[in-house]
Amino acid sequence: EAGVAQSPRYKIIEKRQSVAFWCNPISGHATLYWYQQILGQGPKLLIQFQNNGVVDDSQLPKDRFSAERLKGVDSTLKIQPAKLEDSAVYLCASSPGTGLQPQHFGDGTRLSIL
Amino acid sequence: SQQGEEDPQALSIQEGENATMNCSYKTSINNLQWYRQNSGRGLVHLILIRSNEREKHSGRLRVTLDTSKKSSSLLITASRAADTASYFCATVWRDNRLAFGKGNQVVVIP
Repeated sequence: EAGVAQSPRYKIIEKRQSVAFWCNPISGHATLYWYQQILGQGPKLLIQFQNNGVVDDSQLPKDRFSAERLKGVDSTLKIQPAKLEDSAVYLCASSPGTGLQPQHFGDGTRLSIL
Repeated sequence: SQQGEEDPQALSIQEGENATMNCSYKTSINNLQWYRQNSGRGLVHLILIRSNEREKHSGRLRVTLDTSKKSSSLLITASRAADTASYFCATVWRDNRLAFGKGNQVVVIP
């Protein structure tokens, strides 16, 4: 089966600019997750979707970050305006549902803020 | 915090040796997972251990869980160069959400 697809792989922007990341989960996976991984740390969950509804976004900085999954398949994560501390790898993951099961990760988008 | 926290180790071992890494967490958990991350790639699930299990094996991997000490360990036996990666433990909480530790870097020298 095809894995989780993410694009772009790399992005360089200046602070205060906006950026968007795209994720296509494994076919049939109802649950989608966005993580932020700062260099040298483990991933931190930003938002979790179940189909097109938000399950948890408690760690999403909502003043600058937004995410959507309008049709319950693809998802986009946006940052506007970006800050220097947003430099990180943004990982998307999916799982069949919210029951206990492994999550499948994409290779991420590496974001650098100048 | 339910976050898993590995001992902040960077292991460098010779091919064929065993590698052990530890993880501790602060609150009661139901389940714990281990993931591997190769440089520049996403995470790959290795093994899941439930709170009522004490030990689990998968190929060359052995995971233990001690809920009384709130700790887990991952042992990789007969390491290979391809095992070079970062290894993360993650506590599993409501709705399959994961809280990751900082990870252990393992370098296997051929």
